Amino acid sequence: QKEVEQNSGPLSVPEGAIASLNCTYSDRVSQSFFWYRQYSGKSPELIMSIYSNGDKEDGRFTAQLNKASQYVSLLIRDSQPSDSATYLCAARRGGSYIPTFGRGTSLIVHP
Amino acid sequence: DADVTQTPRNRITKTGKRIMLECSQTKGHDRMYWYRQDPGLGLRLIYYSFDVKDINKGEISDGYSVSRQAQAKFSLSLESAIPNQTALYFCATSDWAGGNDEQYFGPGTRLTVT
Repeated sequence: QKEVEQNSGPLSVPEGAIASLNCTYSDRVSQSFFWYRQYSGKSPELIMSIYSNGDKEDGRFTAQLNKASQYVSLLIRDSQPSDSATYLCAARRGGSYIPTFGRGTSLIVHP
Repeated sequence: DADVTQTPRNRITKTGKRIMLECSQTKGHDRMYWYRQDPGLGLRLIYYSFDVKDINKGEISDGYSVSRQAQAKFSLSLESAIPNQTALYFCATSDWAGGNDEQYFGPGTRLTVT
């Protein structure tokens, strides 16, 4: 079982809508969580990290962490066609130096 | 200039050839990593290095070797390339010494082994 699970998608949303991307993790002692955006053929680009339960906002992006339920999500408000990409979730357990990456969710924002 | 650079960006080589992929960073980060990415398999860690004298194997190190020539340089070698090493290779860095565990990726090298 993969330690970090994401629905592969594609998730299709209309321009201007809120895109909701979800990620679950199996290791209860995970303490650091990351969201990356990756365009086809390009490298992952860090969107944000989150370490505490609750919401963290950065521009149009909001990361939400719920450690009790072992999930982390990413909301993209006012989605734009340029947001169409694969979104990678990663989690790092306490005591480990290396994050585990999910396989990513493909997001398509259509005009 | 990019903070993390990788050379070459694209490479086609033949089975059995030795090839080196290079990574350089100007971020001043202490830790460096090599990943490969295959369609449907996500990112898999090959090797990582905490500093020049500390190198560790990742989950798929067989067939690969690395060298950390300086804090800013981390090279990945394929001693005898085989077709199933065809993939997208990424170098990444993080600033653990600065108390930050976020990873930052280079632009990648697309390697094709024929």
